[in-house]
Amino acid sequence: DVVLTQTPPTLSATIGQSVSISCRSSQSLLHSNGNTYLNWLLQRPGQPPQLLIYLVSRLESGVPNRFSGSGSGTDFTLKISGVEAEDLGVYYCVQSTHAPPTFGAGTKLELK
Amino acid sequence: QVQLQQSGTELVKPASSVKISCKASGYTFTSNYMHWIRQQPGNGLEWIGWIYPGNGNTKYNQKFDGKATLTADKSSSTAYMQLSSLTSEDSAVYFCSLNYPGIRGFAYWGQGTLVTVSS
Repeated sequence: DVVLTQTPPTLSATIGQSVSISCRSSQSLLHSNGNTYLNWLLQRPGQPPQLLIYLVSRLESGVPNRFSGSGSGTDFTLKISGVEAEDLGVYYCVQSTHAPPTFGAGTKLELK
Repeated sequence: QVQLQQSGTELVKPASSVKISCKASGYTFTSNYMHWIRQQPGNGLEWIGWIYPGNGNTKYNQKFDGKATLTADKSSSTAYMQLSSLTSEDSAVYFCSLNYPGIRGFAYWGQGTLVTVSS
């Protein structure tokens, strides 16, 4: 199975600070059809996860544009340009290029 | 709008089985993959498997082979997951999640169903 390694496990930020989360894959996530099926999810406390970014960099409808995704192959990054209070929670990367789909262990974003 | 409504909290005894439901609305139920995901207390997310309701095809994470059985009822647009031979290890929140459309993986999520296995 593909292993996704997220760093850091915990991130402390102040409101307005820009932060980045890394997701590294044990295999290339480029599918033979040319797509890279790497998504980012946010799970707020007591809530189900919600989709933020799909196909590496496509912003989900309704998600603020302070969120952005980048990367290719095995290295991917989620950036939040100016953290707001509502952004606190656990961020997961998830890949579905290779079966079975696998999730990163998560990065907890908390207020400093 | 797309909605996934899961069944309520379950308290079940060890060695028993439980069946969780996920009622879908707002899209064509038969044309999109439905995933099931487990989240143990304080832990991350694990993919259990998916079902394609249009033809009933399923694929499981090898870890959950024999533990989880996925089915779908087209007449009621409801997906089901049965968990068998329950142990305390199976105590978790279980989510259904939808690819819609196909490139937007895990785009929609049910609210989660808490299963507690205890005697």
